[in-house]
Amino acid sequence: DQQVKQNSPSLSVQEGRISILNCDYTNSMFDYFLWYKKYPAEGPTFLISISSIKDKNEDGRFTVFLNKSAKHLSLHIVPSQPGDSAVYFCAATPGGFTSGTYKYIFGTGTRLKVLA
Amino acid sequence: GAGVSQSPSNKVTEKGKDVELRCDPISGHTALYWYRQRLGQGLEFLIYFQGNSAPDKSGLPSDRFSAERTGESVSTLTIQRTQQEDSAVYLCASSLSAGLAGEQFFGPGTRLTVL
Repeated sequence: DQQVKQNSPSLSVQEGRISILNCDYTNSMFDYFLWYKKYPAEGPTFLISISSIKDKNEDGRFTVFLNKSAKHLSLHIVPSQPGDSAVYFCAATPGGFTSGTYKYIFGTGTRLKVLA
Repeated sequence: GAGVSQSPSNKVTEKGKDVELRCDPISGHTALYWYRQRLGQGLEFLIYFQGNSAPDKSGLPSDRFSAERTGESVSTLTIQRTQQEDSAVYLCASSLSAGLAGEQFFGPGTRLTVL
């Protein structure tokens, strides 16, 4: 039972254009969401997060949008750079002080390739 | 070192053998996590340690899996009588404290191959 789904295994984008990575979740208890980036042979690194009290969080070139009613979040990267080429995982957790908030539920990842 | 380190980076073993994977968390991090990523799947939570509290073992897939942590330092994940379905990348993460989403720092992982 995949509670966090990333339906696009890969995405190619031209340098300078926008990259949009999508993520859907099924558990309505999730209220904190994160994006991690992973380069080959390295562990995932935290990129950006969003709480369910917000619908948008921006950090430089990275913006995460949350649509609670649709149980959907997306990561926008503008402008995309070749160094952004990596696997991107979305993750969800009950968040706050809920028991088990540390149990991140990860999606299967989307491999982004930014073409120079 | 500044980050989470794991050893070995790669491990090939025969079915039925026991393996031990090691994680060195970031100094001062009280919380430590183990995840597994099988081919084509997302990261799967296995076990969580927080200080001297009883670990949360709810993610361990079978009793062949166990983990220990000495205080707030090194952790070892042991898989007994390995099976081919145990083949995966095993990732360790640590954080300053639990419950603060976004602060889990991951190691590079151990790629386990069971023949």
